[in-house]
Amino acid sequence: NAGVTQTPKFQVLKTGQSMTLQCAQDMNHNSMYWYRQDPGMGLRLIYYSASEGTTDKGEVPNGYNVSRLNKREFSLRLESAAPSQTSVYFCASRGDPYNEQFFGPGTRLTVL
Amino acid sequence: GENVEQHPSTLSVQEGDSAVIKCTYSDSASNYFPWYKQELGKRPQLIIDIRSNVGEKKDQRIAVTLNKTAKHFSLHITETQPEDSAVYFCAASSGAGGTSYGKLTFGQGTILTVHP
Repeated sequence: NAGVTQTPKFQVLKTGQSMTLQCAQDMNHNSMYWYRQDPGMGLRLIYYSASEGTTDKGEVPNGYNVSRLNKREFSLRLESAAPSQTSVYFCASRGDPYNEQFFGPGTRLTVL
Repeated sequence: GENVEQHPSTLSVQEGDSAVIKCTYSDSASNYFPWYKQELGKRPQLIIDIRSNVGEKKDQRIAVTLNKTAKHFSLHITETQPEDSAVYFCAASSGAGGTSYGKLTFGQGTILTVHP
């Protein structure tokens, strides 16, 4: 039982490049989330998926797109990376709205 | 939407002292309040949570209190140890109510340092 996994762990992009961050969970959770973490800003929600086949915007969705590929996988895409997207990205999943939200190990992204 | 304010941003204590971190929230519909601990370079991990039908919850050296009328909740750590040093985040959620789907809104975090 790996919990929530993310790939890659680290990534360096040049401005304008695109990339997809991958996330998978093996806990049969319905809901999945993407956050970004910046110093002094806490964790801010980018997009979430309440269940397979649905996605919705969070607090900071601009510049990102998501795909809920199936119940296990939820990917985050940067179409044209900008330096302002330099951050640590965490994926999370949750089975019950009143229970623990489990986080992945994070992806540290630098955009030059 | 929900807004969560967390104070203080940094907290320094001596080993054995108590530490208190406070959060306020804006949405009266919020009914689930978790606290996460994040060590340097690691993922956030849940340490304790409380639901709105409970005023206080305790787990060994950690306790959380909730005042729904005032819309604030607090984390209390007693007999602090150096391994308690980390960043602590509070969060609020309205469960599955409305369209929230259990989304968490996080506070800005508190850097706790426990000196030996």
